[in-house]
Amino acid sequence: DSGVTQTPKHLITATGQRVTLRCSPRSGDLSVYWYQQSLDQGLQFLIQYYNGEERAKGNILERFSAQQFPDLHSELNLSSLELGDSALYFCASSVAGDGTDTQYFGPGTRLTVL
Amino acid sequence: GENVEQHPSTLSVQEGDSAVIKCTYSDSASNYFPWYKQELGKRPQLIIDIRSNVGEKKDQRIAVTLNKTAKHFSLHITETQPEDSAVYFCAASNRNTGNQFYFGTGTSLTVIP
Repeated sequence: DSGVTQTPKHLITATGQRVTLRCSPRSGDLSVYWYQQSLDQGLQFLIQYYNGEERAKGNILERFSAQQFPDLHSELNLSSLELGDSALYFCASSVAGDGTDTQYFGPGTRLTVL
Repeated sequence: GENVEQHPSTLSVQEGDSAVIKCTYSDSASNYFPWYKQELGKRPQLIIDIRSNVGEKKDQRIAVTLNKTAKHFSLHITETQPEDSAVYFCAASNRNTGNQFYFGTGTSLTVIP
């Protein structure tokens, strides 16, 4: 157990819908990262927050957005869902978020878009 | 930006043999190189990492070597066991890359009993 929690574990929804994925970082970690992993694919970095502020952006679609709240939990919002958005979504956290500290991954949310 | 290449994409070894996975990176400023193990449907788990001020690091049956001049680093697993079967990802990062990890495409390791 990494100490990073994600809810829900599984999510099944229809095309065109909107969903929210939630992540709570390890105690003491200020930085949260979101990754997308499609079937048989690697880990695609989406976005990073540090202490409530967006710090880095990867290949995140405009239909996706995220935020980090004062209690440091983060939410990833996916809207106008398409079949291709079906994937495992991981959240990771680290202490400082400067790119050179260890990232610990949560158990992931499996999103299925029908 | 950084580009990380990982080879091989699949690797099968007999139980007890060694396995080696290699990664190359492009950004000479990269200075942190973690390796993650991911079992099917599970989260990636850090198994070992190395920083640029160190050439080699070992933890029991797992070791990582780093060649900064050639810009490559490798994962070595000795005395492989069936439970080592998983997908392994390498990554590279540094303070100039926007704080993100650049991951390799993964190596699917199968240890045959």
